[in-house]
Amino acid sequence: SQQGEEDPQALSIQEGENATMNCSYKTSINNLQWYRQNSGRGLVHLILIRSNEREKHSGRLRVTLDTSKKSSSLLITASRAADTASYFCATWGSNYQLIWGAGTKLIIKP
Amino acid sequence: EAGVAQSPRYKIIEKRQSVAFWCNPISGHATLYWYQQILGQGPKLLIQFQNNGVVDDSQLPKDRFSAERLKGVDSTLKIQPAKLEDSAVYLCASSSPGGKETQYFGPGTRLLVL
Repeated sequence: SQQGEEDPQALSIQEGENATMNCSYKTSINNLQWYRQNSGRGLVHLILIRSNEREKHSGRLRVTLDTSKKSSSLLITASRAADTASYFCATWGSNYQLIWGAGTKLIIKP
Repeated sequence: EAGVAQSPRYKIIEKRQSVAFWCNPISGHATLYWYQQILGQGPKLLIQFQNNGVVDDSQLPKDRFSAERLKGVDSTLKIQPAKLEDSAVYLCASSSPGGKETQYFGPGTRLLVL
């Protein structure tokens, strides 16, 4: 079963706007990761946030983690056409498997 | 540093035929994963290797899927015979040992079964 569930399933915004997507998970975690998947490319790791961290930044990316609500959010600021992709959150299951959500499909309109 | 390599990138076969995918992980990465990703879904783990041993293959349909990593480096995933529902992208990933860290993915093989 899926551990992470992303919300919304799809998001379409104008270039330059900020994009926020959310992830909810079910069990306790050590860390939570966000990945991006462009058309024709494999999954690319974006950022990892550990369970004792509340917020982490990487360039135009900002990730927050609320372990009490079992949720995380990914904010992309000043979006660009190249940010068009699907974004997945993933958490580790009890048997050292990464468990993935179904992803948020982000479209940046020029 | 070279990334995870996969081949072929695309494959079209008819049902009941067999197909094989190849993966070469990042040098030094002991852990190798094969995932199946159906359109519109997240990846689903098929099998995980630690060196040349299988750590988890609980979601591998063993009646038709097989995988090996004989020398603890590159790996092959085979489907025989293929079914229509096997149409998907097959992703290979690797990670350094140590547990719950980042996985690095190859570009994937897109399989279409007709």
